[in-house]
Amino acid sequence: DTGVSQDPRHKITKRGQNVTFRCDPISEHNRLYWYRQTLGQGPEFLTYFQNEAQLEKSRLLSDRFSAERPKGSFSTLEIQRTEQGDSAMYLCASSPGGADNTQYFGPGTRLTVL
Amino acid sequence: RKEVEQDPGPFNVPEGATVAFNCTYSNSASQSFFWYRQDCRKEPKLLMSVYSSGNEDGRFTAQLNRASQYISLLIRDSKLSDSATYLCVVRGSNYQLIWGAGTKLIIKP
Repeated sequence: DTGVSQDPRHKITKRGQNVTFRCDPISEHNRLYWYRQTLGQGPEFLTYFQNEAQLEKSRLLSDRFSAERPKGSFSTLEIQRTEQGDSAMYLCASSPGGADNTQYFGPGTRLTVL
Repeated sequence: RKEVEQDPGPFNVPEGATVAFNCTYSNSASQSFFWYRQDCRKEPKLLMSVYSSGNEDGRFTAQLNRASQYISLLIRDSKLSDSATYLCVVRGSNYQLIWGAGTKLIIKP
């Protein structure tokens, strides 16, 4: 399967713990996006990378959130000192770049903060 | 006011019926428009892009009215497998996608 992959698929953690999620985009896609989705809502944009450069961050991305894409391939999203309100599905998407902006989504990581 | 608004539904329709979804967006500078489909507890998948001239893909027809900032999706001869949540998506001047909350569709036999 050469689609977008995310790991882990599910994460249960206690409030106050740190968690890290990984996203592997489609090979050679130079744009990578993170979104968060809660029940009954559409995805909300968190951040966007063009290769290794983080070009945009949403106001939703508090200081407890950090994302990296060190080599322009896979990306990690870390949440420090998790809160119950962080419980959501975290979706990663990638797009080829250039004129084609179609975003292809991974299966998501479902985070539950107890 | 939300940037992209949709009727949350659910729409309960019998198999074979025609169903229409509507969506409005607030940013007149929006450049690209899409319909995504999302099955329960799955990731969104692109259903179709929406072009100014309107476009059709099999049983699905999408239309855009830039003057009214309105997007529609029509599903003809609905199938049980069409049951899902349909998300209206708008892309602005950057690459960020702005999503509606989705409209849930339930097709009944």
